[in-house]
Amino acid sequence: DTGVSQDPRHKITKRGQNVTFRCDPISEHNRLYWYRQTLGQGPEFLTYFQNEAQLEKSRLLSDRFSAERPKGSFSTLEIQRTEQGDSAMYLCASSLGAGGFYEQYFGPGTRLTVT
Amino acid sequence: KNEVEQSPQNLTAQEGEFITINCSYSVGISALHWLQQHPGGGIVSLFMLSSGKKKHGRLIATINIQEKHSSLHITASHPRDSAVYICAVRSQGAQKLVFGQGTRLTINP
Repeated sequence: DTGVSQDPRHKITKRGQNVTFRCDPISEHNRLYWYRQTLGQGPEFLTYFQNEAQLEKSRLLSDRFSAERPKGSFSTLEIQRTEQGDSAMYLCASSLGAGGFYEQYFGPGTRLTVT
Repeated sequence: KNEVEQSPQNLTAQEGEFITINCSYSVGISALHWLQQHPGGGIVSLFMLSSGKKKHGRLIATINIQEKHSSLHITASHPRDSAVYICAVRSQGAQKLVFGQGTRLTINP
C-alpha cells in the first residue's frame, strides 16, 4: 500500500509524559499537513510543510508541540508534557502541492488518550 | 460563527432514501472538498470541486460559488453509506483546509 501511513495508531499516555507520532506521506508528495480532531468535531489545522520547510503553524500549536520533517519525507509531531486536553485524533495528510487544484490524502490517524 | 457550517449535524434515513447534506462557507475559496470518515477515523476524499457539479456513482456534489454553498447528495442510500461526511474549504491563497463539524449519517436497513 502506498498511501499515507501513521504510527502508532493508538497511544495511551499519562499526563506529563512526552509522546511522538510519525507520518509517512505518499512518496512523491512534497506537502505534508498535520490536523487534530477532537470527538464530535471536524479536524483542525495544526501545521504544514513544503518539503522540509515548516511554512505555517496554527495558534493551536502551543510551545509544547513541535513538528519536524527533516529530510522532506516523513514527519514527526511531538507533544511535551501532555495534558488531558491533548486527547484527540492526530491526522496527517499529504499532497503534491504543485499549486492550484490539488487533493490532500489522509492517513488513518493516531488516537491519543492522555490519562 | 465558524467559517464552514454543515447541516444537518445528524441525519437518520431508511435505505433507499435520497440524502442531501449542506455546507455553507463564509470566505472566498479556491476549492471545496467533501470527505467521508468511517468509525476508526480514516478520512477518504470523495470530491474536490471549485465550480459546478461532480458525480461519482451514487454520489453527487454541487457548488454555488456566488451563494457560498455546496451540497452532497446520495441517491439510493445504503447502510454502508453510514459515516460522517465532512465539508472542507481551502481559502484563496491558503494551503490549509478549514473543516466543518461533519454530518453523521445513519442509514437503516
